Amino acid sequence: QLQLQESGPGLVKPSETLSLTCTVSGGSISSSSYYWGWIRQPPGKGLEWIGSIYYSGSTYYNPSLKSRVTISVDTSKNQFSLKLSSVTAADTAVYYCARLVILAAAFDPWGQGTLVTVSS
Amino acid sequence: DIQMTQSPSSLSASVGDRVTITCRASQSISSYLNWYQQKPGKAPKLLIYAASSLQSGVPSRFSGSGSGTDFTLTISSLQPEDFATYYCQQSYSTPRVTFGQGTRLEIK
Repeated sequence: QLQLQESGPGLVKPSETLSLTCTVSGGSISSSSYYWGWIRQPPGKGLEWIGSIYYSGSTYYNPSLKSRVTISVDTSKNQFSLKLSSVTAADTAVYYCARLVILAAAFDPWGQGTLVTVSS
Repeated sequence: DIQMTQSPSSLSASVGDRVTITCRASQSISSYLNWYQQKPGKAPKLLIYAASSLQSGVPSRFSGSGSGTDFTLTISSLQPEDFATYYCQQSYSTPRVTFGQGTRLEIK
């Protein structure tokens, strides 16, 4: 079955760039049936969509984060990545990667999530 | 952007109760509405997609309805494992999506 796993530093300094990678196993990231997305959740708060990418490299970003976000895909490694620049404490959150099934237009499955704390 | 508003924000109920959670979209989204369940420390889990389609493996006590701007998630008979936070998510503008703020379902 398809699994997603987030990886990257758990602590980032203010003003620096947060970088995370999602590794997909049990299936190909190059399928035309899916997008791949990043979603975050600040401690004790709700879910916020960050952005989505297609295997071809087409990207879609949350307008509120667009100026700071870059999502990329590496089909040879079956991975996609998130970069969020100029981070502040407000970017502290659990970051999830997930598959967006086009037919259902829903995220399934999700990675387990990784907590990223922004602090000096 | 399409805004999603859930109500109530929190809800207390007992095992065996019938529970309904509402989600309203700021514009018509047809049936492009999904529901997720999230338990503490865990990733969200897809329950319902396309407003009323039950995801494989999800118990039949969960059901969804609605179209346009108003949607509901119903749990017909609450079980202990159902106490969690529930989120709606519009997929009308896929792959750009937005989530509701969540409804926390607690044990009375």
